[in-house]
Amino acid sequence: GAGVSQTPSNKVTEKGKYVELRCDPISGHTALYWYRQSLGQGPEFLIYFQGTGAADDSGLPNDRFFAVRPEGSVSTLKIQRTERGDSAVYLCASSTPLGLGTGELFFGEGSRLTVL
Amino acid sequence: SQQGEEDPQALSIQEGENATMNCSYKTSINNLQWYRQNSGRGLVHLILIRSNEREKHSGRLRVTLDTSKKSSSLLITASRAADTASYFCATANTGTASKLTFGTGTRLQVTL
Repeated sequence: GAGVSQTPSNKVTEKGKYVELRCDPISGHTALYWYRQSLGQGPEFLIYFQGTGAADDSGLPNDRFFAVRPEGSVSTLKIQRTERGDSAVYLCASSTPLGLGTGELFFGEGSRLTVL
Repeated sequence: SQQGEEDPQALSIQEGENATMNCSYKTSINNLQWYRQNSGRGLVHLILIRSNEREKHSGRLRVTLDTSKKSSSLLITASRAADTASYFCATANTGTASKLTFGTGTRLQVTL
């Protein structure tokens, strides 16, 4: 597809379970970002990939959160031992390489995670 | 953490009126961007202004940037009901230009 694709669009899980959220960026975009957005708030940065490597993971809240991008395209955000406070919309965005293009991010529709 | 603070937090106007939203930030920036988010949807990029620019236009949008005051404003002229959305400013900070830091957003309601 032409845009950033995120699956699932909605995920309901129980406290303590493991969750994976997937992001398929725009073809050719080497930069990929994960953000988390709580109700009524702006997106909060989690992690940024340039290619396969995590260039900046300073926003990951703790070691229960981990993200991978093994082939430099699709990325998976993994959350272990989920807590009710992890409930939020997880947004993925991609962009052209740093220093090129307009600097804008292209966002997916998000994955809404609800931890019961 | 969130860099920017938008004000007002919520704004309600009638169709045809102009809407002005303000954003303040804390650190030196490379550029500042505005995004729009319809309820339950992803964010859509509206406009980018670089740190050496003072004003930029795109259609009905006008953005200003005052780096001495660390503030920006977004003006939407001749608003339409379809402009109803949340608007966020986001900064690409000097030294961390690889990521955008978003503000808290302004919820704009345009009524007929």
